[in-house]
Amino acid sequence: GENVEQHPSTLSVQEGDSAVIKCTYSDSASNYFPWYKQELGKRPQLIIDIRSNVGEKKDQRIAVTLNKTAKHFSLHITETQPEDSAVYFCAAGPYNTDKLIFGTGTRLQVFP
Amino acid sequence: EADIYQTPRYLVIGTGKKITLECSQTMGHDKMYWYQQDPGMELHLIHYSYGVNSTEKGDLSSESTVSRIRTEHFPLTLESARPSHTSQYLCASSGDGSSGSPLHFGNGTRLTVT
Repeated sequence: GENVEQHPSTLSVQEGDSAVIKCTYSDSASNYFPWYKQELGKRPQLIIDIRSNVGEKKDQRIAVTLNKTAKHFSLHITETQPEDSAVYFCAAGPYNTDKLIFGTGTRLQVFP
Repeated sequence: EADIYQTPRYLVIGTGKKITLECSQTMGHDKMYWYQQDPGMELHLIHYSYGVNSTEKGDLSSESTVSRIRTEHFPLTLESARPSHTSQYLCASSGDGSSGSPLHFGNGTRLTVT
């Protein structure tokens, strides 16, 4: 089955710096890659997703890149703000998300 | 407002009790899921459903059971709770888009078994 590895487990940055979180997956059949943000005590919320027919997607300060050959994808946050502090989860799965497998999470802290 | 609702938000019970965690969604989604998550840790899929009368076990073995009698309702039951069941349980739903649709999560039930 699918296995998703996520690094780093914790990441501390200064406000205004960039943050990068990386994930690798094992199942070459996976073709949907969402990213979720979970603030303390709250539900995970989708922040961006990418499908296998696209190499990069951007939404304001957030971007995701996908390398299907190497089976890895990354989340990039630019101009970080304290409200970006949260745990971020990557996930991989087939189009219909029946078996969406999550990474182990990255705790991002943005210091003012 | 369309959303996914879980009750109770917190539950503390003794070993051996039977419990049911409720999950309802008003988003009109056919697919629903239960994930187990220790605080701040990864999410493990324990059950999912494609629609009414459809239930499947996820990748993480669980002693819980689920039912799907109505589209909007996907309760999870533990017949005899144990301390090892202490965790957060997140319910989610998704649409049927063939090009992939994201999961929408409920607020979760934090279960403590003493």
